[in-house]
Amino acid sequence: QVQLVESGGGAIQPGRSLRLSCVVSGFNFNNYAIHWVRQAPGKGLEWVTLMSSDGSKKYYADSVKGRFTISRDNSKNTLYLQMNSLRPEDTAVYYCARDHGASGWGGYLDYWGQGTLVTVSP
Amino acid sequence: AIQMTQSPSSLSASLGGRVTITCRASQGISLDLSWYQQKPGKAPKLLIYAASTLQSGVPSRFSGSGADTDFTLTISSLQPEDLATYYCLQDFNFPRTFGQGTKVEIK
Repeated sequence: QVQLVESGGGAIQPGRSLRLSCVVSGFNFNNYAIHWVRQAPGKGLEWVTLMSSDGSKKYYADSVKGRFTISRDNSKNTLYLQMNSLRPEDTAVYYCARDHGASGWGGYLDYWGQGTLVTVSP
Repeated sequence: AIQMTQSPSSLSASLGGRVTITCRASQGISLDLSWYQQKPGKAPKLLIYAASTLQSGVPSRFSGSGADTDFTLTISSLQPEDLATYYCLQDFNFPRTFGQGTKVEIK
């Protein structure tokens, strides 16, 4: 069955860096775009970034542009989110989610991981 | 960025009752809208895509309608397991944007 498993979350001080991972199984990772979506405690969902299946296209929310970088290793079935210059407002559960298609355009998020919590605090 | 305005922010309905949630886009998005259900402490789950197509395995009491800027999610007969927060998401362009969410409670 389709699975996405996030890891790498934890407590970290403002200004520091953290890298999240999303390991997938149960489908051909090479054929799908993957998103990161986050949810601050008690708040709604916020889309963060997407990478296309071949890694050629990346899109970011304005709130993370220039600080976060999405990447993927198709040989390891793994998506990454490198988060630099972290701020308290980046505190959230971070979910990876599969897009229905390869490019991300017009696609919906059909499978989600369980999330990993990132807490940015002095 | 496209703004998605979802309403109401919360509602309370009786078991077996009908629930309607609306989502309005700040510009036309064709049929590129999906709906998600998030139960407390859980990851979101896809309910509906392309505005009105039910995801496999989702009960038929859920339905979606609309196009362009105005969309609706309907639960025809509310069940106890439908206690959750519901979100719309525009799939039309980047950055993707979610509605603010609607918390559904049982009266």
